Amino acid sequence: DSGVTQTPKHLITATGQRVTLRCSPRSGDLSVYWYQQSLDQGLQFLIQYYNGEERAKGNILERFSAQQFPDLHSELNLSSLELGDSALYFCASSGQGYQETQYFGPGTRLLVL
Amino acid sequence: AQKITQTQPGMFVQEKEAVTLDCTYDTSDPSYGLFWYKQPSSGEMIFLIYQGSYDQQNATEGRYSLNFQKARKSANLVISASQLGDSAMYFCAIKSRTNTDKLIFGTGTRLQVFP
Repeated sequence: DSGVTQTPKHLITATGQRVTLRCSPRSGDLSVYWYQQSLDQGLQFLIQYYNGEERAKGNILERFSAQQFPDLHSELNLSSLELGDSALYFCASSGQGYQETQYFGPGTRLLVL
Repeated sequence: AQKITQTQPGMFVQEKEAVTLDCTYDTSDPSYGLFWYKQPSSGEMIFLIYQGSYDQQNATEGRYSLNFQKARKSANLVISASQLGDSAMYFCAIKSRTNTDKLIFGTGTRLQVFP
């Protein structure tokens, strides 16, 4: 158990819909990262939050947004869903710095039909 | 830009044997960290081992060790005494001081351990 929790584990929805994925970091970690894993794109960094503020953005679509709340949990919002958004979405948390290990949650498996 | 290359899409190893999974990296930043993760078929990403760019010794963690050759920019994972439960995807990843804290992943190597 990494100490990072993600809900829900599985999500099935239809095209055009909006979903929210939730993540709680490990105790003491201020940084939260979101990654997308799909068959064609591999593991891609989406966005990072540090102590409530956006720190870095990766290959995140404009239809996607995220935030980190004062209690440090984070939510990733995916809207106007398309078939190609079907993927495994991971949240990770860590301390600050390039030497710090990122610990991953169990992931949310999203299927868009 | 940073890049991780894993050239072995799949590897087979017999139980109790050792196996080496290759990873080469590219970065212009002298300060970086290399990470290996295991992803079993259940999907979770499990951290295995870390090697820092300034570490003088190769990292070890139980049956996992890193063959770190900085001049060649390689960080190969060695799994000793393979077990059936080692069958999984293995990802090498890098992050550096100047590239925020995001991990850049390779494409992974699927390891299959047979009896």
